[in-house]
Amino acid sequence: KNQVEQSPQSLIILEGKNCTLQCNYTVSPFSNLRWYKQDTGRGPVSLTIMTFSENTKSNGRYTATLDADTKQSSLHITASQLSDSASYICVVSARGDDGGTSYGKLTFGQGTILTVHP
Amino acid sequence: NAGVTQTPKFRILKIGQSMTLQCTQDMNHNYMYWYRQDPGMGLKLIYYSVGAGITDKGEVPNGYNVSRSTTEDFPLRLELAAPSQTSVYFCASSYVRPQNTGELFFGEGSRLTVL
Repeated sequence: KNQVEQSPQSLIILEGKNCTLQCNYTVSPFSNLRWYKQDTGRGPVSLTIMTFSENTKSNGRYTATLDADTKQSSLHITASQLSDSASYICVVSARGDDGGTSYGKLTFGQGTILTVHP
Repeated sequence: NAGVTQTPKFRILKIGQSMTLQCTQDMNHNYMYWYRQDPGMGLKLIYYSVGAGITDKGEVPNGYNVSRSTTEDFPLRLELAAPSQTSVYFCASSYVRPQNTGELFFGEGSRLTVL
């Protein structure tokens, strides 16, 4: 069964500090891995998308890593800001068949709730 | 820049009532999706569409129906509301398939409560 597990469930840090969020997956066959940021009461917004051949990708203060061998990913946030307070969701896409209507199933993790305190 | 627009944002239904959640996108995306998000759980796919006139079931389709008569619109219909359908619903769209790294754009969500 395809699964995506994130840790920790929640995290509290002080403004200006760094933090790392973890994602383990068992999705197969693997296509790509995404990290989303979801502010309270809003829809998820894409941070990064990584394919099998990419092992790191940055988006400003956000850096995602991918180890396809161990099926692990991490999201590192540098110099946190109050606006980083949100839920961070790891999503893995399976590689669907090449039939015309296959879309490549997405499996969502439950998210890590990050709170940044001043 | 409208992106993906969902209405209503909030709704309270009585058990057995019916309603339609509206979703429209202005990015000319072929792929559209409906997800539900329950507390502490990952998003679950209800239905998806790969283009006008083509829809298919996701992981949790029971109790829902969809249609895709145009590229822009993808409404989700709840026929006989049940308390188990209390959730936050998200509509999303993408230009290409997720397995081809198609980025998903989400709406702001519709919070539905069934009492």
